[in-house]
Amino acid sequence: AQSVTQPDIHITVSEGASLELRCNYSYGATPYLFWYVQSPGQGLQLLLKYFSGDTLVQGIKGFEAEFKRSQSSFNLRKPSVHWSDAAEYFCAVVNQAGTALIFGKGTTLSVSS
Amino acid sequence: EAQVTQNPRYLITVTGKKLTVTCSQNMNHEYMSWYRQDPGLGLRQIYYSMNVEVTDKGDVPEGYKVSRKEKRNFPLILESPSPNQTSLYFCASSTRTGVRISSTDTQYFGPGTRLTVL
Repeated sequence: AQSVTQPDIHITVSEGASLELRCNYSYGATPYLFWYVQSPGQGLQLLLKYFSGDTLVQGIKGFEAEFKRSQSSFNLRKPSVHWSDAAEYFCAVVNQAGTALIFGKGTTLSVSS
Repeated sequence: EAQVTQNPRYLITVTGKKLTVTCSQNMNHEYMSWYRQDPGLGLRQIYYSMNVEVTDKGDVPEGYKVSRKEKRNFPLILESPSPNQTSLYFCASSTRTGVRISSTDTQYFGPGTRLTVL
């Protein structure tokens, strides 16, 4: 069965520093992958998604993610973090049947000044 | 403004007292779903609906019911809530029209309902 692992429960980054959030998936075929962000008290917002094609995906708010099949990873990156990026981030993969999303457990990002 | 609304946003109740959490979307989406979010577990799908009168179980349907009598509404019903249903609940609607998720589908989440069952 498919699964998504976000190894880091909590990360703290200084404002202006670069960010990388890790996501590993378990899936036999080419996965469909997503990153969502959940700001405090808000619902989830889609940052970016990968279905096929270019393995470097650009998203909203200056985020990007790179699909690496050899490492079964889809890490989220941002070159310079802003205080407003403090939130919880979820990686997700479409299940084998193609019918639903399987979410990781999330990574909480704190931004220090 | 395109949105998914949920009511109530916060609810504290007692074991066994039936409750309904409403969900409404104004985007004319066919697909709607309910998730629960628990610390350290991420989001898990409870039920989903492909269209009016078409609903199906997700990963964690036990203890929940849903109905889809109108396209815009998808209420979540807890007939006899128990403390293990204390959670943060999200409703979502999607542009999805097929059984399988496609690259053009976009999912919109509501703001969440925090439920505490004592």
